[in-house]
Amino acid sequence: DQQVKQNSPSLSVQEGRISILNCDYTNSMFDYFLWYKKYPAEGPTFLISISSIKDKNEDGRFTVFLNKSAKHLSLHIVPSQPGDSAVYFCAASVTGSARQLTFGSGTQLTVLP
Amino acid sequence: ETGVTQSPTHLIKTRGQQVTLRCSSQSGHNTVSWYQQALGQGPQFIFQYYREEENGRGNFPPRFSGLQFPNYSSELNVNALELDDSALYLCASSFGLAGDTQYFGPGTRLTVL
Repeated sequence: DQQVKQNSPSLSVQEGRISILNCDYTNSMFDYFLWYKKYPAEGPTFLISISSIKDKNEDGRFTVFLNKSAKHLSLHIVPSQPGDSAVYFCAASVTGSARQLTFGSGTQLTVLP
Repeated sequence: ETGVTQSPTHLIKTRGQQVTLRCSSQSGHNTVSWYQQALGQGPQFIFQYYREEENGRGNFPPRFSGLQFPNYSSELNVNALELDDSALYLCASSFGLAGDTQYFGPGTRLTVL
């Protein structure tokens, strides 16, 4: 039973355009959400997070949106750059649960020059 | 500031053997979590250590065990290796039990033949 789902295994966008990566979750207890980026042969790198008390968080080119009623979050990257090409994982956790992260299966983003 | 480091980078074992993987947490962090990432999937939580005590465990059998040392470094031990244990093992560190963001090391690639 996948509690965090990333239904798009891959996404291609042109350099300079917006990349939108989506993530759905089923566990309503999740109250903290994160996005990680992973290059081959490296560990996941933290990008941005959002608490369930917010619906948007921005950091430079990266913005995360949270829709609690739809149990959906998205990551927007504007403008997309070739160096953004990587696998993106969304993750969720519950307060008081040792903050164990439940990950989606990832989306491979390719930014075309 | 030193990031999370893991050793070894790669390891090849045969079925039935035992393996120990090591992790040094990021400077200032006292909580270590271990994850298993199978090919094409997101990382799965194994367990977490806080101040040398196990503080949460995922759906992994007892042959997966761990330790945390006074300097907050950690070991993951896997006994009676099975072919399905072949995966990337990731260590993540954070601060305290409420540390929201976990920072990952580069991982150890374990191959079981």
